[in-house]
Amino acid sequence: GAVVSQHPSRVICKSGTSVKIECRSLDFQATTMFWYRQFPKKSLMLMATSNEGSKATYEQGVEKDKFLINHASLTLSTLTVTSAHPEDSSFYICSAYPGQGRTEAFFGQGTRLTVV
Amino acid sequence: GDSVTQMEGPVTLSEEAFLTINCTYTATGYPSLFWYVQYPGEGLQLLLKATKADDKGSNKGFEATYRKETTSFHLEKGSVQVSDSAVYFCALINTGTASKLTFGTGTRLQVTL
Repeated sequence: GAVVSQHPSRVICKSGTSVKIECRSLDFQATTMFWYRQFPKKSLMLMATSNEGSKATYEQGVEKDKFLINHASLTLSTLTVTSAHPEDSSFYICSAYPGQGRTEAFFGQGTRLTVV
Repeated sequence: GDSVTQMEGPVTLSEEAFLTINCTYTATGYPSLFWYVQYPGEGLQLLLKATKADDKGSNKGFEATYRKETTSFHLEKGSVQVSDSAVYFCALINTGTASKLTFGTGTRLQVTL
């Protein structure tokens, strides 16, 4: 159990357009999900904490108007990259916790975003 | 704040060699410790974990022991395979941080025949 599904796995978009990435917990409910960004050959940078039914909490330096997060249900969080630019090209990964005494996070497969 | 320090990579080994990837941490309280593995183009998978001092996590031949006295959680495997080539991340959760994971920088392992 504890599967997190992320979609799409790869997306190419033009500069100036917006891209939505979905993160779903398939077999558990998640009141909190996390969005990370990974630069080439680098570690994961936490972007924001997504809270079901309320506003996301963004890490310092992350533009909340550029990276819109919506956690509308207990099994779905979305990250929308608005007005994308080539420098937004990256690997984005979400994670969620099943709770119930389990301390480990489960991660989605990641989304490779390329902005051309 | 909390932090995790991993040895710099890449680590290049021949198949069947012994692997050690060092990881040390700084945290208040009693964190849980994890190793995650990332294969090329994929997300992260939990490899093993330990939730208290002296616990040993193990999975797929990998082991790591939670050493509170040295604040370490080194990853070891007695005999690596080509299929172990991946990036390995050491991470911690501190119970006071709302389940945020603190990651190390990752160590790339390359295993050759």
